[in-house]
Amino acid sequence: DTAVSQTPKYLVTQMGNDKSIKCEQNLGHDTMYWYKQDSKKFLKIMFSYNNKELIINETVPNRFSPKSPDKAHLNLHINSLELGDSAVYFCASSNGGPLYEQYFGPGTRLTVT
Amino acid sequence: GQQVMQIPQYQHVQEGEDFTTYCNSSTTLSNIQWYKQRPGGHPVFLIQLVKSGEVKKQKRLTFQFGEAKKNSSLHITATQTTDVGTYFCAGSYSGGGADGLTFGKGTHLIIQP
Repeated sequence: DTAVSQTPKYLVTQMGNDKSIKCEQNLGHDTMYWYKQDSKKFLKIMFSYNNKELIINETVPNRFSPKSPDKAHLNLHINSLELGDSAVYFCASSNGGPLYEQYFGPGTRLTVT
Repeated sequence: GQQVMQIPQYQHVQEGEDFTTYCNSSTTLSNIQWYKQRPGGHPVFLIQLVKSGEVKKQKRLTFQFGEAKKNSSLHITATQTTDVGTYFCAGSYSGGGADGLTFGKGTHLIIQP
């Protein structure tokens, strides 16, 4: 029974397109995150949602927008995709703030051509 | 913004040798977590350190948190091929719900049999 799931696992698309990545957690956690991991494996937080409220919004382009329909889901929508958006995107969840371990999803490898 | 520096970026060892990765922050941390990411996988939580000078062990892995809570290390004794992967430290500066984890850039452990 997967704790944190993401779809799709792979996403290949062209520049200028709009795409979404879905994330679901069945752990009952109240905080969910989106991370971007570049080709050098640097892991950078993009967004954090706690009880459907955005509590961290790092300096990411406003082409990226997180959407949380309920506590168990945090989707990532990306407009006007650019080559530099190519990366692996990880969703994660935790039972609170940074004093709690984070459970990561399997990742979505996004390739923009 | 606040940064957690992690060294080395890459470490090649012969199987059976020891391995250590270090993390350092210029500002006092509230807590530090360690994650392991296998090649092609997602980060998996290993441990959390909260107290000044704390030392925790998991089989061949030893984790330390500095007295000033500004540095941490992970030491693996007698590495095995299953230890291959990238090890990340992740620190928090407030511990509160409005803060997130700042990840180090990771240390890639490469083991030669």
